Amino acid sequence: DTVLTQSPALAVSPGERVSISCRASEGVNSYVHWYQQKPGQQPKLLIYKASNLPSGVPARFSGSGSGTDFTLTFDPVEAGDTATYFCQQSWNDPPTFGGGTKLELK
Amino acid sequence: QVQLQQSGAELAKPGSSVKISCKASGYTFTSYYISWIKQTTGQGLEYIGYINTGSGGANYNEKFKGKATLTVDKSSSTAFMQLSSLTPDDSAVYYCARVGLGDWFRYWGQGTLVTVSS
Repeated sequence: DTVLTQSPALAVSPGERVSISCRASEGVNSYVHWYQQKPGQQPKLLIYKASNLPSGVPARFSGSGSGTDFTLTFDPVEAGDTATYFCQQSWNDPPTFGGGTKLELK
Repeated sequence: QVQLQQSGAELAKPGSSVKISCKASGYTFTSYYISWIKQTTGQGLEYIGYINTGSGGANYNEKFKGKATLTVDKSSSTAFMQLSSLTPDDSAVYYCARVGLGDWFRYWGQGTLVTVSS
């Protein structure tokens, strides 16, 4: 299975420009998607196919990358962004998820 | 609006089975597949498989073959997942999610907690 590797945690200050990375163990084209999950809630789709925002997601979120290296960027990060962020790939079968990056706001 | 409403928490004994439901509303049920995803603290998010809500055909992650059985009732716009031969390792929150065009998950159920304990 394709392994997606994310940094486990990050502490940042509101207003900063912040990037979270996701590295795939093999090529996944642009089929990486990002989710935000707050405690006790289901994941929420933030970015699909590397760089596309679903309707309703604020434009301060953006995504980039292709192949094996992907990035989710917050510009700027806000206090309400405290959550765990997961990447997911759907290019190789089965779809797999990264272990998540826990974002803490100082 | 699109909603996926899952059934409530389950407490089950080792060796037994549970069946979780996921009722869809706000869209044409048979136009999108439904996937199921397992979440644990230790293993994170794991993809179980999907069901073709039109044909009823299912596709499983190899890891969950023999463990999960996916079915659908088109008349009630409901997808089901049965988990069999339960062990404590099956304790998790299970989510259903609507499958997007490129196999991303835009809409999720609220999750069903399954606890396996004697």
